[in-house]
Amino acid sequence: AQRVTQPEKLLSVFKGAPVELKCNYSYSGSPELFWYVQYSRQRLQLLLRHISRESIKGFTADLNKGETSFHLKKPFAQEEDSAMYYCALLGGGYNKLIFGAGTRLAVHP
Amino acid sequence: GAGVSQSPSNKVTEKGKDVELRCDPISGHTALYWYRQSLGQGLEFLIYFQGNSAPDKSGLPSDRFSAERTGGSVSTLTIQRTQQEDSAVYLCASSLSLTVYGYTFGSGTRLTVV
Repeated sequence: AQRVTQPEKLLSVFKGAPVELKCNYSYSGSPELFWYVQYSRQRLQLLLRHISRESIKGFTADLNKGETSFHLKKPFAQEEDSAMYYCALLGGGYNKLIFGAGTRLAVHP
Repeated sequence: GAGVSQSPSNKVTEKGKDVELRCDPISGHTALYWYRQSLGQGLEFLIYFQGNSAPDKSGLPSDRFSAERTGGSVSTLTIQRTQQEDSAVYLCASSLSLTVYGYTFGSGTRLTVV
């Protein structure tokens, strides 16, 4: 079965602390993974894709096939990082994205 | 258009009534998707269009839900005989190349069934 699991509904940290939002996936083929972010009152937007190995707004994510994980990390959280984060897997025959339930990140001053 | 446009942004309807939700994708995006976003449930896939055809309707929760796309552009999601459990945000997304660009989402339609 193709599935994305985000075990934490809420992650609460203080400004300047490191952040790791967990994502695990279940997929039999070669996975392609994404992180999407939704800031308050804004639409969902792409944050980063594993194939591009990019760093956006200080966030990085590394695909670990052994642990079937794609955790999102940032060394020093900022208040403006507070948002809902969704991990997504390209599945369904590479035709659609399968999303996790999302993790709300709250960064406190 | 410049982005994915959805209308209405908010819809309150009485239980049992039919509703139509509209999505206008980015010009040139051949793939169009509908998702449902509920608190604590994440994004639930509903249907995928490639052009005017829907090769994947596997996420439609019941036969009260249907969708169509015309001219390879605008799509309409119809919910018949709405129920309270249909209350959610309905998101539309379009894509030029899923593997390269992922989705571009609309701002959604918040449906409330009372």
